[in-house]
Amino acid sequence: DTAVSQTPKYLVTQMGNDKSIKCEQNLGHDTMYWYKQDSKKFLKIMFSYNNKELIINETVPNRFSPKSPDKAHLNLHINSLELGDSAVYFCASSQEGLVQETQYFGPGTRLLVL
Amino acid sequence: AQKITQTQPGMFVQEKEAVTLDCTYDTSDQSYGLFWYKQPSSGEMIFLIYQGSYDEQNATEGRYSLNFQKARKSANLVISASQLGDSAMYFCAMRSLYNFNKFYFGSGTKLNVKP
Repeated sequence: DTAVSQTPKYLVTQMGNDKSIKCEQNLGHDTMYWYKQDSKKFLKIMFSYNNKELIINETVPNRFSPKSPDKAHLNLHINSLELGDSAVYFCASSQEGLVQETQYFGPGTRLLVL
Repeated sequence: AQKITQTQPGMFVQEKEAVTLDCTYDTSDQSYGLFWYKQPSSGEMIFLIYQGSYDEQNATEGRYSLNFQKARKSANLVISASQLGDSAMYFCAMRSLYNFNKFYFGSGTKLNVKP
């Protein structure tokens, strides 16, 4: 069983389109995250949700909207896609309570905006 | 403010030799954890090893060990007996008790193991 899964794995789309990436974790974790990894491999946190509540919202354009229907799912919707949105997007989850709890990452979604 | 610095963008090591990947961190928090992740060319992020700020012993996991020097605020990853499969990006990360829901990542080090 995959611990953190993301769909789709690859996404190629035109500028201006709207797209969604889905994430699910079956680890029973309380906290989920979205990261963006750019072409230089730098990982930047975008959002963090704890028990469906948004707790971290870094300076991300409001074209990006996360949605957490339940604590096992955190989806990312992107409106009006731009060339600069091309990146790998990682979903991750971790358990609340102990600082030594690591994050578990999904396989990533490779987004290419043409 | 929390910050992780990895000063080696790329490194080479000969197969079967040991290699140290540097990581320094900045935090005013007393309770925090340090993590290392591996990202092979296939793209997934793999957790390798953890060190807690109050741990007195350096963490070890198989061929991975962490050289933790708290006073210097460094948490270097040591890979012993390098293998070709160790070629990957390596990320150092930190999480503190007082900013619990945020992991801070370094910029990564690309390790190439030569046969």
